Amino acid sequence: AQRVTQPEKLLSVFKGAPVELKCNYSYSGSPELFWYVQYSRQRLQLLLRHISRESIKGFTADLNKGETSFHLKKPFAQEEDSAMYYCALSGQGGGNKLTFGTGTQLKVEL
Amino acid sequence: GAVVSQHPSRVICKSGTSVKIECRSLDFQATTMFWYRQFPKQSLMLMATSNEGSKATYEQGVEKDKFLINHASLTLSTLTVTSAHPEDSSFYICSARPGQTPGYTFGSGTRLTVV
Repeated sequence: AQRVTQPEKLLSVFKGAPVELKCNYSYSGSPELFWYVQYSRQRLQLLLRHISRESIKGFTADLNKGETSFHLKKPFAQEEDSAMYYCALSGQGGGNKLTFGTGTQLKVEL
Repeated sequence: GAVVSQHPSRVICKSGTSVKIECRSLDFQATTMFWYRQFPKQSLMLMATSNEGSKATYEQGVEKDKFLINHASLTLSTLTVTSAHPEDSSFYICSARPGQTPGYTFGSGTRLTVV
């Protein structure tokens, strides 16, 4: 079984402060991890996936297999980062289902 | 980029009637599509995996006879909510994974309200 845990429902930070959205997973094989973002009234958008190891909108995420974590980080939060963030896991292969965490609402205050 | 189009975006129906939601891959072929349900302020819960030319795979607890899935072509999957009840009111989202793109692409969702 595959499972994704996001312990925080809501994370509130001030503009310019560092952000870390936590994500832990459970999967018996080699997972593919993603972060998706959902801005208000918009569809889900891919933010990051662990394989690409890239930085999008200043966000990065490193897969830690020892801790089974894939935390999302940004050194300086911007107001436009306020959104719902979902960590998701897929088993290998394009036909495999995507399992989502419960999501973390990030609120960046001025 | 790859786009998944979902229609309608919003529908209101009476209890006992059926509603069909369409999900189309616009510029790629999708042998597999996924249907999710999202309650307000909650995460996406996978309902079923739609397979082109064969039966859908339903997640545990999802009624096959209530949520009928048809994936008759490589670009279209439909979800029909049969004999709708108010508790079926929710946000339904479809998804597919284009072969050459990094992740799964999502439709804009359908807000179903059963009155």
